Amino acid sequence: DVKVTQSSRYLVKRTGEKVFLECVQDMDHENMFWYRQDPGLGLRLIYFSYDVKMKEKGDIPEGYSVSREKKERFSLILESASTNQTSMYLCATLLTSTLYEQYFGPGTRLTVT
Amino acid sequence: GENVEQHPSTLSVQEGDSAVIKCTYSDSASNYFPWYKQELGKGPQLIIDIRSNVGEKKDQRIAVTLNKTAKHFSLHITETQPEDSAVYFCAGGSYIPTFGRGTSLIVHP
Repeated sequence: DVKVTQSSRYLVKRTGEKVFLECVQDMDHENMFWYRQDPGLGLRLIYFSYDVKMKEKGDIPEGYSVSREKKERFSLILESASTNQTSMYLCATLLTSTLYEQYFGPGTRLTVT
Repeated sequence: GENVEQHPSTLSVQEGDSAVIKCTYSDSASNYFPWYKQELGKGPQLIIDIRSNVGEKKDQRIAVTLNKTAKHFSLHITETQPEDSAVYFCAGGSYIPTFGRGTSLIVHP
């Protein structure tokens, strides 16, 4: 079974803090994704990575950056957290570009006060 | 880019009834349409998917239909059970899917 883990289930940070959300997968999936989930808005793609050190912007990259130094780890960085970044953050992986099933982690609920 | 609309946002049914969730998409090049179920406190999990060369797919109590001409696809759950209560997301696209806004399905015992 594919396992996708996220470093924290719940996180509370202050406005202006630098925040790191980490995602680790235990299978050899090339592709990793960061989504943001808000009620009534579904899942919106922030960034994705199709290989180590490679990254692409998704639909809502503003205020975020990512890092992928190793294949199994994909980090989402909020350089200066703001209250409008309070949300549920989901990490996902995908095996290859021909098998489109995504595997999601349990999510990190981030609150910025 | 792709735009996926999903309806209804909330669906309440009695146990044993059927439930239908509908989605439309905009990009005729989209060729993969998955459905994900998200239970409380968990990440979404794929429950069924359909590719553009197939019109219908069934897996026990769940089925998905695709109408490429009209650019819409639907999820059908028959004989609903309380454990079917969850948020369901449709998605469309290919390698990078675009998700609908989700449907909260409530099955009353």
